[in-house]
Amino acid sequence: GENVEQHPSTLSVQEGDSAVIKCTYSDSASNYFPWYKQELGKRPQLIIDIRSNVGEKKDQRIAVTLNKTAKHFSLHITETQPEDSAVYFCAAIYTGANSKLTFGKGITLSVRP
Amino acid sequence: KAGVTQTPRYLIKTRGQQVTLSCSPISGHRSVSWYQQTPGQGLQFLFEYFSETQRNKGNFPGRFSGRQFSNSRSEMNVSTLELGDSALYLCASSLAHGRDTQYFGPGTRLTVL
Repeated sequence: GENVEQHPSTLSVQEGDSAVIKCTYSDSASNYFPWYKQELGKRPQLIIDIRSNVGEKKDQRIAVTLNKTAKHFSLHITETQPEDSAVYFCAAIYTGANSKLTFGKGITLSVRP
Repeated sequence: KAGVTQTPRYLIKTRGQQVTLSCSPISGHRSVSWYQQTPGQGLQFLFEYFSETQRNKGNFPGRFSGRQFSNSRSEMNVSTLELGDSALYLCASSLAHGRDTQYFGPGTRLTVL
């Protein structure tokens, strides 16, 4: 089955700096990669996703890049703000029958004011 | 559209008891997945239901079971509760099985004493 790993497990950045969170996956058939943000005491919320036919996707201050050859994908947050502090989960799935979304263990991002 | 809802939000039980958690998906969504979230373990997949049928199952003991009703609402049941079952139980809904973005509910916080 699919295995998703996130590195590092914690990340601390200064407000205004950029943050990059990396994930690797094992199943080369995986073709959909969502990112979720979970603030303390709240539900995970989808913030951006990418499909395997695209190499990069941007939405304001966040972007995701995908390298299918190396089987890794990354979340990039520019101009970080204190409200970006949260746990970020990456996930991967092959969108076919009997497939399931596999999550990484999450990265805690702290943005220092 | 109303989001995914879960009831109850908090539960306290003692070892050996059983518990039933409920999840109402977004209107029109027919797939419901369940996850267990504990510190350090991230989001562990329990099972997914689509069209009242279990489509996928994670690596949890048989004490964990679920079902889905014709209106797509889902329940999960945990029998013979153990201390280690204390966790946040999240459900997520999507339009269909295995290919669409999942949207999470607020979770049920289960504490086993």
